[in-house]
Amino acid sequence: EAGVAQSPRYKIIEKRQSVAFWCNPISGHATLYWYQQILGQGPKLLIQFQNNGVVDDSQLPKDRFSAERLKGVDSTLKIQPAKLEDSAVYLCASSIPGEQFFGPGTRLTVL
Amino acid sequence: AQSVSQHNHHVILSEAASLELGCNYSYGGTVNLFWYVQYPGQHLQLLLKYFSGDPLVKGIKGFEAEFIKSKFSFNLRKPSVQWSDTAEYFCAVNIPGNTGKLIFGQGTTLQVKP
Repeated sequence: EAGVAQSPRYKIIEKRQSVAFWCNPISGHATLYWYQQILGQGPKLLIQFQNNGVVDDSQLPKDRFSAERLKGVDSTLKIQPAKLEDSAVYLCASSIPGEQFFGPGTRLTVL
Repeated sequence: AQSVSQHNHHVILSEAASLELGCNYSYGGTVNLFWYVQYPGQHLQLLLKYFSGDPLVKGIKGFEAEFIKSKFSFNLRKPSVQWSDTAEYFCAVNIPGNTGKLIFGQGTTLQVKP
């Protein structure tokens, strides 16, 4: 079974630039999550989708972050404009009841 | 707000030593509990989980964890570590019936010396 796919794996941008990350969940998984993992910390939920609807985006900095999940499958997370403190690994996960499966993450460096 | 605390940030052990990583959570109700592992260069993967029943849970690769409700703890153990256990370990909780999101601890880096 294919796992959660993410791209790109690495991205380096300058502050105030825009960036987008892509996630393809495991086939058939209705729930999709985006987490932010800052160095030295555990992952923190940014947004959760159930099919193509948002379940929880309470921790998403909506002034600069946006996410969508068209057709309830793939998802994109965008940051515009990026700040230095956005440097982190962005993890995508999809789930069945009782377990989340994580992708390899996108490591973002903002200079 | 719910939170998860892992006591050890960096643990160094020799092969064959016993391991115990501490995890405490703050939430007064029922929780689901997880330990995830991230090996160098790999993605997060589930080690074990506890939802209900026997509080001693066995996971993959010889790991086990014990849920002690009175102490709000879910400590991870392994009787004899191997060099291949070198990784970062994360404890996480989820509130049943909630959105399903995981609340993670800050992680513990385990380094096993051969």
